[in-house]
Amino acid sequence: GAGVSQSPRYKVAKRGQDVALRCDPISGHVSLFWYQQALGQGPEFLTYFQNEAQLDKSGLPSDRFFAERPEGSVSTLKIQRTQQEDSAVYLCASSSVGGASNQPQHFGDGTRLSIL
Amino acid sequence: DQQVKQNSPSLSVQEGRISILNCDYTNSMFDYFLWYKKYPAEGPTFLISISSIKDKNEDGRFTVFLNKSAKHLSLHIVPSQPGDSAVYFCAASSTQGGSEKLVFGKGTKLTVNP
Repeated sequence: GAGVSQSPRYKVAKRGQDVALRCDPISGHVSLFWYQQALGQGPEFLTYFQNEAQLDKSGLPSDRFFAERPEGSVSTLKIQRTQQEDSAVYLCASSSVGGASNQPQHFGDGTRLSIL
Repeated sequence: DQQVKQNSPSLSVQEGRISILNCDYTNSMFDYFLWYKKYPAEGPTFLISISSIKDKNEDGRFTVFLNKSAKHLSLHIVPSQPGDSAVYFCAASSTQGGSEKLVFGKGTKLTVNP
């Protein structure tokens, strides 16, 4: 389809393992966002890309979290040395333009990460 | 410090009646507001938005009202249908700060009874 695609849909990892989550934004969308959603909460901002530039990473909870978008399209969120508190749904969103655009963000279905 | 608040965790209405979902915000820099609908195991789906230069935006059965002085917005669904049963999230952003990040409320679970 033409929507935001995330993979895998579900990921189970043991504490201490590294994980990588992938996001394919809507084709041509300039802006890409990652959010973390804990159970019973709203999504919380992690980081923002405009094309390949990471313009805001203020929401990343620790230096174990790293995101990249090297060619301005697909993005990967990597979590190193996972801990149980990293268990959450990780949502990716994209929007068509950057800057003060008043354009809605469109979300993928998320990756549910469980750390054992 | 929660900048976007949805104080009603749940709401139940009869099919055909009006559903009113409320949202309050504290950050006066917010100037763009959105409502998203979320079904279980799916991502949030964009419903409707409003910028701070307006006080009302309408799209079919959905209308969003913005009261800037009260820092309050609401989503009206008329008439409500069983398929509207979902969790509704209010979100806000500031288009002036460079980052377009959204700040979300905790959501309101709407149940529309047949």
